Amino acid sequence: RKEVEQDPGPFNVPEGATVAFNCTYSNSASQSFFWYRQDCRKEPKLLMSVYSSGNEDGRFTAQLNRASQYISLLIRDSKLSDSATYLCVVLNTGFQKLVFGTGTRLLVSP
Amino acid sequence: EPEVTQTPSHQVTQMGQEVILRCVPISNHLYFYWYRQILGQKVEFLVSFYNNEISEKSEIFDDQFSVERPDGSNFTLKIRSTKLEDSAMYFCASSGKAGGLNEQFFGPGTRLTVL
Repeated sequence: RKEVEQDPGPFNVPEGATVAFNCTYSNSASQSFFWYRQDCRKEPKLLMSVYSSGNEDGRFTAQLNRASQYISLLIRDSKLSDSATYLCVVLNTGFQKLVFGTGTRLLVSP
Repeated sequence: EPEVTQTPSHQVTQMGQEVILRCVPISNHLYFYWYRQILGQKVEFLVSFYNNEISEKSEIFDDQFSVERPDGSNFTLKIRSTKLEDSAMYFCASSGKAGGLNEQFFGPGTRLTVL
């Protein structure tokens, strides 16, 4: 089983739509969770950290369910500029390495 | 805003040649990392470095790979004898602290093409 699993997509949505991405992780000892964004042929950039209580940053909401080992990202009112690959990333206890999912590609169209 | 820089942006080499990829982490950061991403695949951890030594490495990081911080600013990844399968984007990252919710900042990457 992959350490971090994501639906690769692509998700094609119109501007203004709400879209949700899901992610599962296999290591119950994982301690920290993130969503990164990666544009084509660019470096990953941190979108937001994911807290146990869930957290929101503008149009973006992240949720964590430790019991189910499940992480989600909700994007409301999609913009053209949201088109990118969204990477689910975990950090395991005692380690410094980030473990990346394969990413979910989002295409927002006019 | 401080950023991680990497040189060169693209390196083309012949199989069996040595390459050195260079990174300048953010100046007050203490933890340094190399990741790679083969085209169309996920980002994979290679190595982390702290206090002038490797703190963790993956199984990808075999004897052909080495890292060094030769001075106070540069952090390098050396591949001694490149293979075709080493072709990938190599990202350097740095963080001020390790673990928890401390962000790792990524550089723009070096695209390595092995012919």
